[in-house]
Amino acid sequence: DAGVIQSPRHEVTEMGQEVTLRCKPISGHDYLFWYRQTMMRGLELLIYFNNNVPIDDSGMPEDRFSAKMPNASFSTLKIQPSEPRDSAVYFCASSSFLGQSIEKLFFGSGTQLSVL
Amino acid sequence: SQQGEEDPQALSIQEGENATMNCSYKTSINNLQWYRQNSGRGLVHLILIRSNEREKHSGRLRVTLDTSKKSSSLLITASRAADTASYFCATDASDSWGKLQFGAGTQVVVTP
Repeated sequence: DAGVIQSPRHEVTEMGQEVTLRCKPISGHDYLFWYRQTMMRGLELLIYFNNNVPIDDSGMPEDRFSAKMPNASFSTLKIQPSEPRDSAVYFCASSSFLGQSIEKLFFGSGTQLSVL
Repeated sequence: SQQGEEDPQALSIQEGENATMNCSYKTSINNLQWYRQNSGRGLVHLILIRSNEREKHSGRLRVTLDTSKKSSSLLITASRAADTASYFCATDASDSWGKLQFGAGTQVVVTP
Protein backbone atom coordinates (compact mmCIF):
# COMPACT_ATOMS: atom_id res chain seq x y z
CA ASP A 1 0.00 0.00 0.00
CA ALA A 2 1.26 3.49 -0.85
CA GLY A 3 0.11 4.94 2.44
CA VAL A 4 -1.84 8.15 2.87
CA ILE A 5 -1.30 10.41 -0.09
CA GLN A 6 -1.63 14.17 0.13
CA SER A 7 -1.38 16.80 -2.56
CA PRO A 8 0.00 19.26 -3.18
CA ARG A 9 3.17 18.93 -1.12
CA HIS A 10 3.62 22.68 -1.05
CA GLU A 11 1.16 25.48 -1.76
CA VAL A 12 1.92 29.15 -1.92
CA THR A 13 -0.98 31.48 -2.48
CA GLU A 14 -2.05 35.04 -1.92
CA MET A 15 -4.45 36.22 0.69
CA GLY A 16 -8.04 35.94 -0.46
CA GLN A 17 -7.46 33.04 -2.81
CA GLU A 18 -9.18 29.68 -2.52
CA VAL A 19 -7.00 26.75 -1.48
CA THR A 20 -7.91 23.08 -1.84
CA LEU A 21 -5.92 20.34 -0.17
CA ARG A 22 -6.41 16.73 -1.16
CA CYS A 23 -6.05 13.41 0.57
CA LYS A 24 -6.29 9.76 -0.38
CA PRO A 25 -6.52 7.52 2.70
CA ILE A 26 -5.28 3.97 3.01
CA SER A 27 -7.69 1.54 1.43
CA GLY A 28 -9.90 -0.14 4.01
CA HIS A 29 -9.54 2.55 6.65
CA ASP A 30 -12.90 3.91 7.65
CA TYR A 31 -11.69 6.97 9.58
CA LEU A 32 -10.08 10.03 8.08
CA PHE A 33 -8.66 12.96 10.01
CA TRP A 34 -7.44 16.43 9.10
CA TYR A 35 -4.87 18.02 11.40
CA ARG A 36 -3.10 21.35 11.26
CA GLN A 37 0.39 21.86 12.69
CA THR A 38 1.92 25.20 13.65
CA MET A 39 4.74 26.15 15.96
CA MET A 40 2.40 28.15 18.17
CA ARG A 41 -0.50 25.72 18.50
CA GLY A 42 1.08 22.35 17.76
CA LEU A 43 -1.10 19.67 16.17
CA GLU A 44 -4.77 20.55 16.09
CA LEU A 45 -7.53 18.21 15.02
CA LEU A 46 -9.74 20.05 12.55
CA ILE A 47 -12.30 17.46 11.53
CA TYR A 48 -12.71 13.74 11.19
CA PHE A 49 -14.89 11.44 9.12
CA ASN A 50 -16.24 7.95 9.65
CA ASN A 51 -17.38 6.08 6.56
CA ASN A 52 -17.30 9.35 4.61
CA VAL A 53 -19.56 11.14 7.10
CA PRO A 54 -18.23 14.11 9.10
CA ILE A 55 -18.40 13.18 12.77
CA ASP A 56 -16.81 16.11 14.55
CA ASP A 57 -15.86 19.41 12.96
CA SER A 58 -15.53 21.37 16.19
CA GLY A 59 -11.87 22.00 15.45
CA MET A 60 -12.54 23.81 12.19
CA PRO A 61 -11.47 27.35 13.01
CA GLU A 62 -13.91 29.34 10.93
CA ASP A 63 -16.55 29.13 8.25
CA ARG A 64 -13.80 29.77 5.77
CA PHE A 65 -12.78 26.16 6.27
CA SER A 66 -14.76 23.28 4.82
CA ALA A 67 -14.04 19.60 4.31
CA LYS A 68 -15.68 16.92 2.24
CA MET A 69 -15.31 13.22 1.71
CA PRO A 70 -17.32 12.28 -1.39
CA ASN A 71 -16.13 8.67 -1.29
CA ALA A 72 -13.97 6.30 0.72
CA SER A 73 -10.82 7.11 -1.23
CA PHE A 74 -10.84 10.88 -1.39
CA SER A 75 -11.18 13.91 0.86
CA THR A 76 -10.63 17.63 0.43
CA LEU A 77 -10.02 20.49 2.82
CA LYS A 78 -10.87 23.86 1.37
CA ILE A 79 -10.05 27.32 2.66
CA GLN A 80 -11.94 30.18 1.08
CA PRO A 81 -10.84 32.93 1.34
CA SER A 82 -7.37 32.16 2.66
CA GLU A 83 -5.58 34.41 5.15
CA PRO A 84 -1.92 34.63 6.23
CA ARG A 85 -2.76 33.09 9.63
CA ASP A 86 -3.83 29.93 7.82
CA SER A 87 -0.19 29.27 6.97
CA ALA A 88 0.66 25.88 8.47
CA VAL A 89 1.31 22.27 7.62
CA TYR A 90 -1.92 20.38 7.05
CA PHE A 91 -1.89 16.65 7.63
CA CYS A 92 -4.36 14.03 6.62
CA ALA A 93 -4.40 10.73 8.50
CA SER A 94 -6.45 7.57 8.30
CA SER A 95 -7.17 4.80 10.73
CA SER A 96 -9.63 2.21 11.86
CA PHE A 97 -11.35 1.53 15.14
CA LEU A 98 -10.90 -1.63 17.12
CA GLY A 99 -13.38 -2.21 19.88
CA GLN A 100 -13.95 1.09 21.63
CA SER A 101 -10.77 2.94 20.92
CA ILE A 102 -9.01 4.40 17.97
CA GLU A 103 -6.00 2.56 16.69
CA LYS A 104 -2.86 4.01 15.28
CA LEU A 105 -3.05 6.81 12.76
CA PHE A 106 -1.26 6.69 9.45
CA PHE A 107 -0.22 10.17 8.41
CA GLY A 108 0.40 11.59 4.99
CA SER A 109 3.47 13.73 4.29
CA GLY A 110 1.48 16.90 4.74
CA THR A 111 0.83 20.03 2.71
CA GLN A 112 2.94 23.05 3.59
CA LEU A 113 0.63 26.02 3.03
CA SER A 114 1.95 29.55 2.84
CA VAL A 115 -0.53 32.39 2.45
CA LEU A 116 1.14 35.66 1.53
CA SER B 1 -6.68 22.23 23.38
CA GLN B 2 -3.84 19.82 23.98
CA GLN B 3 -4.55 16.84 26.18
CA GLY B 4 -0.98 15.66 26.56
CA GLU B 5 2.02 17.67 27.62
CA GLU B 6 5.52 16.38 27.01
CA ASP B 7 8.53 16.98 29.18
CA PRO B 8 11.21 18.00 28.44
CA GLN B 9 10.55 20.22 25.44
CA ALA B 10 14.01 19.44 24.10
CA LEU B 11 16.63 16.81 24.78
CA SER B 12 20.19 16.55 23.52
CA ILE B 13 22.15 13.33 24.01
CA GLN B 14 25.02 11.38 22.50
CA GLU B 15 24.77 8.17 20.56
CA GLY B 16 24.53 5.16 22.82
CA GLU B 17 22.84 7.03 25.64
CA ASN B 18 19.25 6.49 26.68
CA ALA B 19 16.58 9.12 26.08
CA THR B 20 13.58 9.47 28.35
CA MET B 21 10.63 11.73 27.81
CA ASN B 22 7.42 12.08 29.74
CA CYS B 23 3.83 12.84 28.91
CA SER B 24 1.11 14.02 31.27
CA TYR B 25 -2.56 14.18 30.40
CA LYS B 26 -5.72 15.42 32.01
CA THR B 27 -8.65 13.05 31.54
CA SER B 28 -9.37 9.33 31.47
CA ILE B 29 -8.09 7.59 28.38
CA ASN B 30 -8.73 4.49 26.32
CA ASN B 31 -5.17 4.39 25.09
CA LEU B 32 -2.04 6.49 24.75
CA GLN B 33 0.15 6.50 21.68
CA TRP B 34 3.62 7.76 20.84
CA TYR B 35 4.60 9.11 17.46
CA ARG B 36 7.83 10.28 15.89
CA GLN B 37 8.17 13.11 13.40
CA ASN B 38 11.29 13.69 11.39
CA SER B 39 11.87 17.21 10.14
CA GLY B 40 9.55 18.05 7.25
CA ARG B 41 7.76 14.72 7.37
CA GLY B 42 4.50 13.28 8.62
CA LEU B 43 4.11 11.57 11.97
CA VAL B 44 4.91 7.90 12.29
CA HIS B 45 3.29 5.69 14.90
CA LEU B 46 5.70 4.07 17.33
CA ILE B 47 3.72 2.31 20.01
CA LEU B 48 0.27 2.14 21.58
CA ILE B 49 -0.44 1.31 25.21
CA ARG B 50 -3.95 0.67 26.46
CA SER B 51 -5.35 2.00 29.70
CA ASN B 52 -5.22 -1.45 31.31
CA GLU B 53 -1.55 -1.93 30.46
CA ARG B 54 1.38 -0.66 32.52
CA GLU B 55 4.36 -1.30 30.31
CA LYS B 56 5.05 -2.14 26.72
CA HIS B 57 8.18 -2.80 24.68
CA SER B 58 8.94 -2.52 21.00
CA GLY B 59 12.55 -2.98 19.95
CA ARG B 60 14.57 -0.25 21.68
CA LEU B 61 11.42 1.48 22.88
CA ARG B 62 9.88 1.07 26.30
CA VAL B 63 6.65 2.80 27.25
CA THR B 64 5.10 2.95 30.70
CA LEU B 65 1.68 4.16 31.69
CA ASP B 66 0.53 5.23 35.13
CA THR B 67 -3.18 6.00 34.96
CA SER B 68 -3.31 7.04 38.62
CA LYS B 69 -0.82 9.82 37.88
CA LYS B 70 -2.13 10.37 34.36
CA SER B 71 1.35 10.09 32.94
CA SER B 72 3.40 8.05 30.52
CA SER B 73 7.05 7.81 29.67
CA LEU B 74 8.91 6.81 26.54
CA LEU B 75 12.42 5.41 26.84
CA ILE B 76 14.66 4.99 23.84
CA THR B 77 17.62 2.82 24.71
CA ALA B 78 21.03 2.94 23.01
CA SER B 79 20.05 5.95 20.92
CA ARG B 80 21.30 6.45 17.39
CA ALA B 81 21.72 9.56 15.26
CA ALA B 82 18.71 8.34 13.26
CA ASP B 83 16.56 8.76 16.38
CA THR B 84 16.88 12.52 16.01
CA ALA B 85 13.26 13.68 15.67
CA SER B 86 10.33 15.14 17.56
CA TYR B 87 8.35 12.74 19.69
CA PHE B 88 4.68 13.24 20.47
CA CYS B 89 2.30 11.54 22.83
CA ALA B 90 -1.33 11.32 21.82
CA THR B 91 -4.31 10.35 23.91
CA ASP B 92 -7.60 8.77 22.99
CA ALA B 93 -9.71 10.22 25.76
CA SER B 94 -12.62 8.20 27.10
CA ASP B 95 -14.99 11.15 26.79
CA SER B 96 -13.83 12.32 23.37
CA TRP B 97 -14.72 9.44 21.11
CA GLY B 98 -12.51 9.33 18.05
CA LYS B 99 -10.43 12.38 18.89
CA LEU B 100 -6.73 11.67 19.19
CA GLN B 101 -5.21 14.71 20.92
CA PHE B 102 -1.49 15.39 20.57
CA GLY B 103 0.90 17.04 22.96
CA ALA B 104 3.43 19.70 22.03
CA GLY B 105 6.23 17.19 21.56
CA THR B 106 9.80 16.63 22.72
CA GLN B 107 12.55 17.50 20.29
CA VAL B 108 15.37 14.97 20.57
CA VAL B 109 18.81 15.50 19.07
CA VAL B 110 21.25 12.59 19.09
CA THR B 111 24.81 13.54 18.24
CA PRO B 112 27.33 10.97 16.95
